[in-house]
Amino acid sequence: QVQLVQSGAEVKRPGASVKISCKASGYSFTDYYMHWVRQAPGHGLEWMGIINGYGGSTTYAQKFQGRVTMTRDSSTRTVNMEVIGLRSDDTAEYYCARGGIGDGMDVWGQGTTVTVS
Amino acid sequence: DIQMTQSPSSLSASVGDRVTITCRASQAIRDDLGWYQQKPGKVPKRLIHAASSLDSGVPSRFSGSGSGTEFTLTISSLHPEDFATYYCLQHNTYPFTFGPGTKVEIK
Repeated sequence: QVQLVQSGAEVKRPGASVKISCKASGYSFTDYYMHWVRQAPGHGLEWMGIINGYGGSTTYAQKFQGRVTMTRDSSTRTVNMEVIGLRSDDTAEYYCARGGIGDGMDVWGQGTTVTVS
Repeated sequence: DIQMTQSPSSLSASVGDRVTITCRASQAIRDDLGWYQQKPGKVPKRLIHAASSLDSGVPSRFSGSGSGTEFTLTISSLHPEDFATYYCLQHNTYPFTFGPGTKVEIK
């Protein structure tokens, strides 16, 4: 079955960086995109950006431009997201989620809690 | 950016009630809209894609409709496990944007 498994929780100091991984299984990795979505405590869902599993091209929400980098390694079927210059308001649950062409997200990872304090 | 609004922001309903949630886009998005359910502490789950297509395994009491700028999610008869927060998502134009959510609570 399609599965996305994310790396574990992180606690970081303000100004630090964090790298979260998302390992995919159960489908053709290069046929899909991967989205990253975050959710601050008590808040709604926020789309951060997307990476193409085939060529690795990315599109980021303007809010995260310059602070977020998404990469993928098709040999290990892993997508990574690095966030630099962490602030307290980056404290959130971060999700990777698979997306198809012209589609939203259908399968989600279990989430990674990032605490900045 | 395309702004998504949802109404109501919250509602109280009883088991067996019919519930309708509305999502509006600030510009036309064809049918490039999905609906997601999220229970406290859980991962969001997609219910509807392409505005009106039910995702696999989703009960038929859920339905979606709409196109362009106005969309609805309907639960025909509320079950206890349906108490959750519901989000719409437009995937027509980057950046993709979610609605602010509608919390469905038990009356």
